[in-house]
Amino acid sequence: DQQVKQNSPSLSVQEGRISILNCDYTNSMFDYFLWYKKYPAEGPTFLISISSIKDKNEDGRFTVFLNKSAKHLSLHIVPSQPGDSAVYFCAASEKTSYDKVIFGPGTSLSVIP
Amino acid sequence: NAGVMQNPRHLVRRRGQEARLRCSPMKGHSHVYWYRQLPEEGLKFMVYLQKENIIDESGMPKERFSAEFPKEGPSILRIQQVVRGDSAAYFCASSPGKGASYGYTFGSGTRLTVV
Repeated sequence: DQQVKQNSPSLSVQEGRISILNCDYTNSMFDYFLWYKKYPAEGPTFLISISSIKDKNEDGRFTVFLNKSAKHLSLHIVPSQPGDSAVYFCAASEKTSYDKVIFGPGTSLSVIP
Repeated sequence: NAGVMQNPRHLVRRRGQEARLRCSPMKGHSHVYWYRQLPEEGLKFMVYLQKENIIDESGMPKERFSAEFPKEGPSILRIQQVVRGDSAAYFCASSPGKGASYGYTFGSGTRLTVV
């Protein structure tokens, strides 16, 4: 069973426009959410996170929105740049004794110049 | 990904051989996590270790796979008698404390190919 879902395997956006990547989760015990970015042949790198006590967190061009009632979060990138082309993983953790992080399957973003 | 060192970057093994994947966490990090990425799939949790202890191995296949994080030296993910289905990218991450809020730093991964 997939606890973190990213239903769009891929997304193409024009440079300068907004990229919106979506993520849904099923486990209501998740209380911390993260986005990671991954280039080919490299490991994932941390992008931005949000705690369940917030509904928005912003860092430069990146904003994450959390809708707990809908069990949905989204990552907004504005303006999108060609260097943003990568696979984006949504991830979540549950407040257990060790806060294991569960990743979604990823969305491949292509930003077209 | 500077700081978390994984080696080798690429590993080719014949069916039935053993694969040993190494992970040196960032300095000061005592928590290590192993993830596997199968082709066209996301990252699947395998095991969480602290120094000399396995905390959670719920994602590890029941047979042939083992992991350790000794007091001295890197963490090792060991796969015995590899099969073609073990071909994947294996990523190690480390953190300075327990929990996602500390942030995981990932290595560049080891790409295992079983022929």
